[in-house]
Amino acid sequence: DAGVIQSPRHEVTEMGQEVTLRCKPISGHDYLFWYRQTMMRGLELLIYFNNNVPIDDSGMPEDRFSAKMPNASFSTLKIQPSEPRDSAVYFCASSAQGSLAGGPETQYFGPGTRLLVL
Amino acid sequence: SQKIEQNSEALNIQEGKTATLTCNYTNYSPAYLQWYRQDPGRGPVFLLLIRENEKEKRKERLKVTFDTTLKQSLFHITASQPADSATYLCALDPWGSNYQLIWGAGTKLIIKP
Repeated sequence: DAGVIQSPRHEVTEMGQEVTLRCKPISGHDYLFWYRQTMMRGLELLIYFNNNVPIDDSGMPEDRFSAKMPNASFSTLKIQPSEPRDSAVYFCASSAQGSLAGGPETQYFGPGTRLLVL
Repeated sequence: SQKIEQNSEALNIQEGKTATLTCNYTNYSPAYLQWYRQDPGRGPVFLLLIRENEKEKRKERLKVTFDTTLKQSLFHITASQPADSATYLCALDPWGSNYQLIWGAGTKLIIKP
């Protein structure tokens, strides 16, 4: 398996522009998580999905952030309009209910998208 | 407030020695606690999970302990190697079984040859 795939790996944009981050979870995984990591705040959970349904979006910082999961193999995180304080590394992770390897609690992370908003 | 604390300063260990990292938490009664490794420019990678009814878990040179009374987990790497240098994160699910993890800030471990 290729693991969790994220694109783009790097994104530089100007304040006010729309940013869309993409994620392909591991096939068969039914949980998908979006995180943001910064030096100041560490790793923060933004939103997570179970079977394509958003379960908890309480970590989404504000209405400028939105996430969708139209099917089991694809999710997007959108920021519109972007601001300099959104600069961070955004990770997508997935996990599987009933996984023999590590159980549903074990999360598998993608390589992240480094976002810089100027 | 709910909090997870890890040593914020980097931990420097001589190669071959045992490295011990600490994770303390307050106001939680987690069903399990996890340790992940993160290398620069990469996402965290799962290492070990220990449940509340387990005192100790081992995997090769890694050992994790979990003291629910002290609200502390210790992560040990024996016979440490320079390749073990990375940031190590602990994480727990404070509400139990819904997989929303709260993360520590991580401890940077440096193994010197």
